[in-house]
Order: sequence, then C-alpha cells, then structure tokens
Amino acid sequence: AQTVTQSQPEMSVQEAETVTLSCTYDTSESDYYLFWYKQPPSRQMILVIRQEAYKQQNATENRFSVNFQKAAKSFSLKISDSQLGDAAMYFCAYRESNYQLIWGAGTKLIIKP
Amino acid sequence: NAGVMQNPRHLVRRRGQEARLRCSPMKGHSHVYWYRQLPEEGLKFMVYLQKENIIDESGMPKERFSAEFPKEGPSILRIQQVVRGDSAAYFCASSPSNPTYYGYTFGSGTRLTVV
Repeated sequence: AQTVTQSQPEMSVQEAETVTLSCTYDTSESDYYLFWYKQPPSRQMILVIRQEAYKQQNATENRFSVNFQKAAKSFSLKISDSQLGDAAMYFCAYRESNYQLIWGAGTKLIIKP
Repeated sequence: NAGVMQNPRHLVRRRGQEARLRCSPMKGHSHVYWYRQLPEEGLKFMVYLQKENIIDESGMPKERFSAEFPKEGPSILRIQQVVRGDSAAYFCASSPSNPTYYGYTFGSGTRLTVV
C-alpha cells in the first residue's frame, strides 16, 4: 500500500531564513502526483505546490520550491525568506491516477520573529 | 466565486445523537470528496461522490456513516449514533472532473466533538 511519511513533527525557523520540510513516500507506480498543502490555524487546507512524477524539473511557486528525487522517493519542500504568515501545519500528499489523496501526518512549522 | 462551503464549522453532539455535515462544492464542480482528520494525523479518504451517485465509499465505516450528493443542494455526510471516536475534523473537497491534475479545493472543515 502507498504510504507517505513526514519524519519531522515540528520545525522552527527564524524569520527571513530558509527551511526544508521532508517527505518520503512508498509506491510501486511510476506515474503519480505529489502535493504540499498548508493548514493554518483557520483549518483551511491550501495547496502550496504540486509535482508530476514524470517531470524531472522541480516545481517552484514564488518562495516555495521542491526537491523531487524520484529514485529515492523523496519530495521535500523548501521555503525561502520565511515569513510569519508561513506558520502552519504542512502536509505532504500523494495521488496516483485515481482520485484518492494519501496524506502524511504533517509537520508543524514555527516561525520565530 | 465562493470556494467550498462547509457548515457548520463546529458541531457538538452527545453520544448517540446524529450528526449532519454539509458541503457545497465550488461553482462548476460536480465531484465531491470527504476526508476525516483525526488529531495529530493527516487526512484519510472516506467517500467520493458525483451528483446522485456514490463512486467510492471504501474509506467510510460500514456502519453508522452515510453520504449523499443529491441533484439539488449540498452533499451531506451523516453519522448516526455518534461515539467519542467520531470526534474529528471532517473536510470536504471538490473538483471539476476526475482525475484532475489541479488537486482539489478544500473547505475549511467541520470539527465534530462528541461529548
């Protein structure tokens, strides 16, 4: 069965610094999608960034970028120039060609002013 | 353009009562998904519906839980005879079609507390 593992329950970073959140997954498929979602205290689940497995180029969205290592089944999220508004739970999620998202347990990101 | 609307935001029920959670998908979206989030955990898939059809309910407990998405009106997740273990945040997401590359649009969830 597919699984998603986030090994860091909590991370903290100084404002304006860079932080990397880790995610590994287990699958025998070659075609799939990976996502990072942000969940602030408001509980809204917000899509941060997505990656298609067949694309070798790492996805980037402004200050957010990923390091996708397909062979290692690793999908880490890098947040540059951290801002106070980035404080939230971050979830890594995996999806094959069907519709179900498989989620990690989340990483709580704390931003120190 | 309103997003996915879930209500109520918070719901308190006594053990044995029924809980009804509502989800109105984004305009133009005809696919609805329900997920449950237990404390300190990621989301777990429960059920996938299209208008008047349950496509996949493999993640939903066989007893006490049911879901519908009628031709008119919101999708409803119904939990009968709630127990303490049902306490969780329930999220609804919608998409315009399946499968979709663009992920899903999530609502803000309903936090159910069973006392």
